[in-house]
Amino acid sequence: QQQVKQSPQSLIVQKGGISIINCAYENTAFDYFPWYQQFPGKGPALLIAIRPDVSEKKEGRFTISFNKSAKQFSLHIMDSQPGDSATYFCAAFTGGATNKLIFGTGTLLAVQP
Amino acid sequence: DGGITQSPKYLFRKEGQNVTLSCEQNLNHDAMYWYRQDPGQGLRLIYYSQIVNDFQKGDIAEGYSVSREKKESFPLTVTSAQKNPTAFYLCASSTSTSGRTGELFFGEGSRLTVL
Repeated sequence: QQQVKQSPQSLIVQKGGISIINCAYENTAFDYFPWYQQFPGKGPALLIAIRPDVSEKKEGRFTISFNKSAKQFSLHIMDSQPGDSATYFCAAFTGGATNKLIFGTGTLLAVQP
Repeated sequence: DGGITQSPKYLFRKEGQNVTLSCEQNLNHDAMYWYRQDPGQGLRLIYYSQIVNDFQKGDIAEGYSVSREKKESFPLTVTSAQKNPTAFYLCASSTSTSGRTGELFFGEGSRLTVL
């Protein structure tokens, strides 16, 4: 119930292509879904986030698509660039008394020039 | 510049020794967190603290201890009781607002290797 399942574990995309990372959850109490980007040897940084009452959120080349009924959400990186090569973590947050952030297992993205 | 400073960046420890990882923030954030990162396992919460002099266990607290004597500081001690301490340790913080949405600000991490 508390897990967030993330796939794929690794992804190789050509420069200019679309990178897609998928996540799924079970707990309907989750009410906020952030994505974090982590470069090697660094800490993760918040990339983009969405609430479950919104089906899509776009910030530049990054888009989150959210399917509440399927309990799935995904990150799309359009026009992928070598500088996007990093590990991406989806996460799910439940506030209130629980106040807990659950991370997916991460996707290592490599964008080839 | 405001941020979270973790030290040391790399640390080697012999089995049976305790080691303390430092985490300092000058963001004036109320909440602070310690996560452990292992390949293929994502980030797992060790301890967190919402206010000074108070902290709670996360999902994998066994073998770890923390203190929160100052708002700016949240050191993590990896004790000899931790069975598999080799990992990348991340400290994070959040404001009272960002903490309600899971928006965390992370340090650059400390890599601990047990020899």
